Amino acid sequence: AQKVTQAQTEISVVEKEDVTLDCVYETRDTTYYLFWYKQPPSGELVFLIRRNSFDEQNEISGRYSWNFQKSTSSFNFTITASQVVDSAVYFCALSEAKGFQKLVFGTGTRLLVSP
Amino acid sequence: EAEVAQSPRYKITEKSQAVAFWCDPISGHATLYWYRQILGQGPELLVQFQDESVVDDSQLPKDRFSAERLKGVDSTLKIQPAELGDSAMYLCASSRGAEETQYFGPGTRLLVL
Repeated sequence: AQKVTQAQTEISVVEKEDVTLDCVYETRDTTYYLFWYKQPPSGELVFLIRRNSFDEQNEISGRYSWNFQKSTSSFNFTITASQVVDSAVYFCALSEAKGFQKLVFGTGTRLLVSP
Repeated sequence: EAEVAQSPRYKITEKSQAVAFWCDPISGHATLYWYRQILGQGPELLVQFQDESVVDDSQLPKDRFSAERLKGVDSTLKIQPAELGDSAMYLCASSRGAEETQYFGPGTRLLVL
């Protein structure tokens, strides 16, 4: 069975601090996808990134970066120089790479960025 | 930018009443998903459609929930009768194909009194 663990329930930082959100996953599949979604107070889930299990290269997109380590089954997300607008709940998710995707989500990490 | 549309955004109902939610996926997206998100948890898949066919409804409480996507475009999720434990956010998502990234709508927040 697939499982995603986000051990950090809530993180509070002050604007401009860097913050890392942890994600650990379990799967028996050899190929799979990992995702991060952002859920602001408005409620919708905003897609941030999808990573194939074969691609362990870290990725950077502006202030966002992701560190995928297959050896530790982790897919951590770092926000550099956090801003108030980054305040949201962030979800890590996992799916099979073949067939009909079923996203398995973690319980989310609430990030509070104060001015 | 194309978006997934959902209505209503908020719904308050009394237990034992019927409720229905509507979802219009991004144009051209063949795969449609309904998720339920209980407060403080991550979303969980209720049902998945490929065009007009259900491909996974293993987590749908079929005694009270039903879902349809008759023409393979928009979809309706119904609960009858609603129970207190159904209070949650109901999220619709769509993807171009079954192995493509899912994009979510704004959700419907349901409160059952």
